[in-house]
Amino acid sequence: DAKTTQPNSMESNEEEPVHLPCNHSTISGTDYIHWYRQLPSQGPEYVIHGLTSNVNNRMASLAIAEDRKSSTLILHRATLRDAAVYYCILRAAGTALIFGKGTTLSVSS
Amino acid sequence: DAGVIQSPRHEVTEMGQEVTLRCKPISGHDYLFWYRQTMMRGLELLIYFNNNVPIDDSGMPEDRFSAKMPNASFSTLKIQPSEPRDSAVYFCASSQYSGAYNEQFFGPGTRLTVL
Repeated sequence: DAKTTQPNSMESNEEEPVHLPCNHSTISGTDYIHWYRQLPSQGPEYVIHGLTSNVNNRMASLAIAEDRKSSTLILHRATLRDAAVYYCILRAAGTALIFGKGTTLSVSS
Repeated sequence: DAGVIQSPRHEVTEMGQEVTLRCKPISGHDYLFWYRQTMMRGLELLIYFNNNVPIDDSGMPEDRFSAKMPNASFSTLKIQPSEPRDSAVYFCASSQYSGAYNEQFFGPGTRLTVL
């Protein structure tokens, strides 16, 4: 019973922005929204997380809807190295990350 | 910091043999997680520990699987006897705290093939 819904796949061109959507209509008030990505043949790695406000870091930006029922991970300029599976995960305190199927992002040159 | 260390990186064994996977978490991290990844089932949480104590092992598939954490710097995942359906990539991860905002750091994984 996945708590988030993501498109199976998305495509992008190099140097263009990418917006990866995630729906989480059953989010609770204390759930944090996490994004991880998994590059080919590697373990998952942290990208960004947020609670209510939009967040920026060196890797990406996270835009959270006002009702928190959806969020968007934004890669400002996709590179070939950004090709990966991106996971949107809700996390409550004291729990482990539970992964869904994620979105496979392909980046073309 | 070296990050989460897993060994071996690759393991090939025959059905019925015992397999032991090892993990060294990041120093100072109180939480350790074991995951399994297959094409069919994706990334599944098997078990996690807090301060060396198992907290949730509901993801452990069956009695053939066991995990231990004898101290803060070492954990093992053992499969005995192994079966071909256990073939997967096994990831270990650690995190410092249990807060919902905390990041989990993953190791490079152990690719297990059971013939």
